[in-house]
Amino acid sequence: QLQLQESGPGLVKPSETLSLTCTVSGASISSSGYYWGWIRQPPGKGLEWIGSMYYSGGTHYNPSLKSRVTISEDTSKNQFSLKLSSATATDTAVYYCAIIKRWLLAEGWFDPWGQGTLVTVSS
Amino acid sequence: QSVLTQPPSVSGAPGQRVTISCTGSSSNIGAGFDVHWYQQLPGTTPKLLMYGNINRPSGVPDRFSASKSGTSASLAITGLQAEDEADYYCQSYDSSLSGYVVFGGGTKLTVL
Repeated sequence: QLQLQESGPGLVKPSETLSLTCTVSGASISSSGYYWGWIRQPPGKGLEWIGSMYYSGGTHYNPSLKSRVTISEDTSKNQFSLKLSSATATDTAVYYCAIIKRWLLAEGWFDPWGQGTLVTVSS
Repeated sequence: QSVLTQPPSVSGAPGQRVTISCTGSSSNIGAGFDVHWYQQLPGTTPKLLMYGNINRPSGVPDRFSASKSGTSASLAITGLQAEDEADYYCQSYDSSLSGYVVFGGGTKLTVL
């Protein structure tokens, strides 16, 4: 059974880089046809797609965050990670990792999701 | 401001039917991209509810159905139950700005 688990600091200072890791079990992140991605949800607000990485390493980012986001993989640990630079209070959110199991990102839906982790940006 | 527009809230009594709309444009739903729906129960992770416009994952009751037409999509829930009280989100893909995944702003369903 495919499962995802986010991990990382729960508190980040303004202007610093927010870094999270998603550990995958039940499948290899090198599996073809999978997009490994991140979604966030500010407290009391809706969902926002941050970006997704294809199994071969190609990345797709939300245009509104593209200049600050990097998604990368560590195949040796079966993990993928998120880095969001120059964090501000508006980046405070629950961050989810989630998978799209389709050959095309445009066709895909997110399933399953990790349980999410709250990251607060504050001094 | 979300690319996909949903009503902030809907409500219905137990047993009734409710619908939640998801309105897009010619660069997303109207361009033929599929619409998917998620249910987020209070304090929990979003869960896939419908995919590919009309399909239910295994385990989702057939009280839930969805459709798509033109630049809009809708989710229908019949035989409303108290356990359906949750936030619902639509998701699609937008071809502008080199393409990106988009969510609706979410709809809070209250069971009266």
